[in-house]
Amino acid sequence: AQKITQTQPGMFVQEKEAVTLDCTYDTSDQSYGLFWYKQPSSGEMIFLIYQGSYDEQNATEGRYSLNFQKARKSANLVISASQLGDSAMYFCAMRLAGLNTNAGKSTFGDGTTLTVKP
Amino acid sequence: NAGVTQTPKFHILKIGQSMTLQCTQDMNHNYMYWYRQDPGMGLKLIYYSVGAGITDKGEVPNGYNVSRSTTEDFPLRLELAAPSQTSVYFCASSLSGGGTQYFGPGTRLTVL
Repeated sequence: AQKITQTQPGMFVQEKEAVTLDCTYDTSDQSYGLFWYKQPSSGEMIFLIYQGSYDEQNATEGRYSLNFQKARKSANLVISASQLGDSAMYFCAMRLAGLNTNAGKSTFGDGTTLTVKP
Repeated sequence: NAGVTQTPKFHILKIGQSMTLQCTQDMNHNYMYWYRQDPGMGLKLIYYSVGAGITDKGEVPNGYNVSRSTTEDFPLRLELAAPSQTSVYFCASSLSGGGTQYFGPGTRLTVL
């Protein structure tokens, strides 16, 4: 069974500073994808960044980067130069991929609420 | 492209009633998913489908049923609604099992 752990229920960061949101995962499968989503107070789920289990380089998307440490099974999200609009709930998720018979099966963490202070 | 659309946006259901939440995607994605999100929690997978005619259970399938007769549509059926099914329901789709998921706007369901 897959498991995602986000140990920080809430985080605060000063505007323009960088922040790291932690995510660890557990799976015995070799082929999977790791995702981060943002959920603002309006409720929609916004895709931020993706890392495949076989990708050797850390993924980056604008101000978002994913610090992928496969041996430690961690996939932390780094947001650089925080903005007030970054205040939201952030979810880490994993989905099985490839030829796995369970490909598509996904697991979400319980989320981290990020508050950006002016 | 409308992406993933869900109807209704809000609904109040009485205990014991049944209803179907609709989900449609126009991206020709093979994979579709149903999640529920309880207040302050992450998303839990109810059912998913890897293609038309194929569905599989997720983490919390009890009390729900799905069907996938076409690539575009993936309705979720609630039979004999219970207060524990009060939640926000999200539908999503992806081209492949490990690919980026695109989410619908969600359906907020209350069972009284």
